Amino acid sequence: QKEVEQNSGPLSVPEGAIASLNCTYSDRGSQSFFWYRQYSGKSPELIMSIYSNGDKEDGRFTAQLNKASQYVSLLIRDSQPSDSATYLCAVPPGGNQFYFGTGTRLTVIP
Amino acid sequence: DTEVTQTPKHLVMGMTNKKSLKCEQHMGHRAMYWYKQKAKKPPELMFVYSYEKLSINESVPSRFSPECPNSSLLNLHLHALQPEDSALYLCASSPQGGGYEQYFGPGTRLTVT
Repeated sequence: QKEVEQNSGPLSVPEGAIASLNCTYSDRGSQSFFWYRQYSGKSPELIMSIYSNGDKEDGRFTAQLNKASQYVSLLIRDSQPSDSATYLCAVPPGGNQFYFGTGTRLTVIP
Repeated sequence: DTEVTQTPKHLVMGMTNKKSLKCEQHMGHRAMYWYKQKAKKPPELMFVYSYEKLSINESVPSRFSPECPNSSLLNLHLHALQPEDSALYLCASSPQGGGYEQYFGPGTRLTVT
């Protein structure tokens, strides 16, 4: 079993702050990395994909990948109450497998 | 359009019933997935179909039987389920198998009584 671990939550931040979510993975062969957002009672929604070392920005979201250290992070700038959800990191190890981390529940306090 | 549809949205079934879950995508994706998700847990992979062939069966009990009639459709046949099988069942698709991004349907909330 290839492991994907996320920082334990829950995580609470005030509105307007930066929320930082972290994920580590064990399979050095992984080439693609994804962040999903899941609202309570809903299905996961893809919000970021990253494939190479460095940062990738999309609006208020920035994904950061460091393959040497085997971690991927998600920064949410100017956090809004609507960002309150569970964030899932996914790191496919190869083949057709697809593993999710345990998820971090984020609450943005107005 | 990144829509994956699932029917029904909710299903209540007894332990002796036979029912089916249906998933459909029209994005031309060639890989489709079934996941099971319990409350406060991440999705757990059950089956993967790649190019309409079963690629992965994650040691799922035989009371769950997947079927991929064509590249757009995925079914999950249910028979003699147990109360612990109650969960959210998610379907997803991706352009191909491997490390491609997956897009999820809204899920079917299953309750086994």
